[in-house]
Amino acid sequence: DTGVSQDPRHKITKRGQNVTFRCDPISEHNRLYWYRQTLGQGPEFLTYFQNEAQLEKSRLLSDRFSAERPKGSFSTLEIQRTEQGDSAMYLCASSLHTGSSPLHFGNGTRLTVT
Amino acid sequence: DQQVKQNSPSLSVQEGRISILNCDYTNSMFDYFLWYKKYPAEGPTFLISISSIKDKNEDGRFTVFLNKSAKHLSLHIVPSQPGDSAVYFCAALPYSGAGSYQLTFGKGTKLSVIP
Repeated sequence: DTGVSQDPRHKITKRGQNVTFRCDPISEHNRLYWYRQTLGQGPEFLTYFQNEAQLEKSRLLSDRFSAERPKGSFSTLEIQRTEQGDSAMYLCASSLHTGSSPLHFGNGTRLTVT
Repeated sequence: DQQVKQNSPSLSVQEGRISILNCDYTNSMFDYFLWYKKYPAEGPTFLISISSIKDKNEDGRFTVFLNKSAKHLSLHIVPSQPGDSAVYFCAALPYSGAGSYQLTFGKGTKLSVIP
C-alpha cells in the first residue's frame, strides 16, 4: 500500500491559465474522489468516480472544471481559465467498493492563482 | 448551510488527560460517521468511524460516541499525547440507499496537547 499520490504538490499559475492535476489512487481501490479545501474549512466534495464512470458531481464543479479517469486507474482534474477564487488545496481520495469504506486521502495539490 | 458542525475551532489539553472533540449534524440521512486527523501540509488521515446502528466504537486510545437522538457525536482520546496535536475533522456519509458517496466534513477542531 503506497498510498494515494498527487502531482504536483504545488502549482502557481496566473489568472486565465489552464491547470491539470493528477491523482494515482491506491491500486486495489476502484472508487476515486476529488475534494477541495480552503483555509479554515473542511474538505468539500467535488466529484466521485467508480472505476472509469463519473457518478456524482457537486454544484461546486463549474463548467470550467473537468475530471477524468480514463482507464479506471489514475485521474486528472483540469481547471480552465483559472480565477483567484480557485486558489485552494485540491485533495484526491480513494476507497474500496464496499459499502461505507473509509476514504484514504493524498497530500493534495496546493493551487495558487495570481 | 453547515450540515456537520464542529463548534470549537480549537482545544488545548494537558498531556495524559482526556481530549473530547464534539460534532453535531443536522441531516437525518447521515448514517455513517468518521473522524479524520490532519497534520499541516498533509492530507487528512482516517482515524475511526461509527455506523448509526452503534453508539460506541473503540480503537486503542480513541473512542467515538454517537447519540442519534441528539444528532451528536464525540471523539475521546485517552490519554492525550503531544503527537495527537493536529486538526480533527468530523465527517458524515448518507445511508447507502441514498446513492451518494459524498462525505460531508465539518470545519475542524485544532487540538493542542501540551507536554
